[in-house]
Amino acid sequence: DAKTTQPPSMDCAEGRAANLPCNHSTISGNEYVYWYRQIHSQGPQYIIHGLKNNETNEMASLIITEDRKSSTLILPHATLRDTAVYYCIVRGGNAGGTSYGKLTFGQGTILTVHP
Amino acid sequence: DTGVSQDPRHKITKRGQNVTFRCDPISEHNRLYWYRQTLGQGPEFLTYFQNEAQLEKSRLLSDRFSAERPKGSFSTLEIQRTEQGDSAMYLCASSLSGAQGEQYFGPGTRLTVT
Repeated sequence: DAKTTQPPSMDCAEGRAANLPCNHSTISGNEYVYWYRQIHSQGPQYIIHGLKNNETNEMASLIITEDRKSSTLILPHATLRDTAVYYCIVRGGNAGGTSYGKLTFGQGTILTVHP
Repeated sequence: DTGVSQDPRHKITKRGQNVTFRCDPISEHNRLYWYRQTLGQGPEFLTYFQNEAQLEKSRLLSDRFSAERPKGSFSTLEIQRTEQGDSAMYLCASSLSGAQGEQYFGPGTRLTVT
């Protein structure tokens, strides 16, 4: 079962920041937070991941709370092409962990960016 | 980097027939994953390989499903005696084997069992 909780849907105006929340209150110390997105009829696309520090790349920023029980994915300037299902996933970081290899997807958040 | 490719992209088959899908990972990636996705749901893990070794199989992978990666490069997923409930998108992903290896997904094979 997925270890994360996300709102089922969100809207955002084009050009504005999209802030997608995720709760992962049972996260363990060696588990990372990953974000993927899936545009209609395509395979999921990796966005970003982090352990406890905030992370930023060319696609997005990831803000993880100090207690690591929740995080927020930020798309700073959303475009229509960012309309997709966004998945927040908790994944083990130890080579011997049972959750090490696979990704366990939940239902995700459907983000709709409108003009 | 040509990305992960899957073949075929679409497959329509009749119930009871066998089908086989192929996945070609990114060339330097030694991990390969199979997932299944039904309409409105997130992908569900089926199995994964590190090189040619199959390291984990989900309980979703019934006896009718078999996956191989004979030379540690491409992989095949075979479904025997297909059922209507097998209709889904079958996704393949690959990654490096490091602790944080991001998985790169292919476009998927959409299977319809009539």
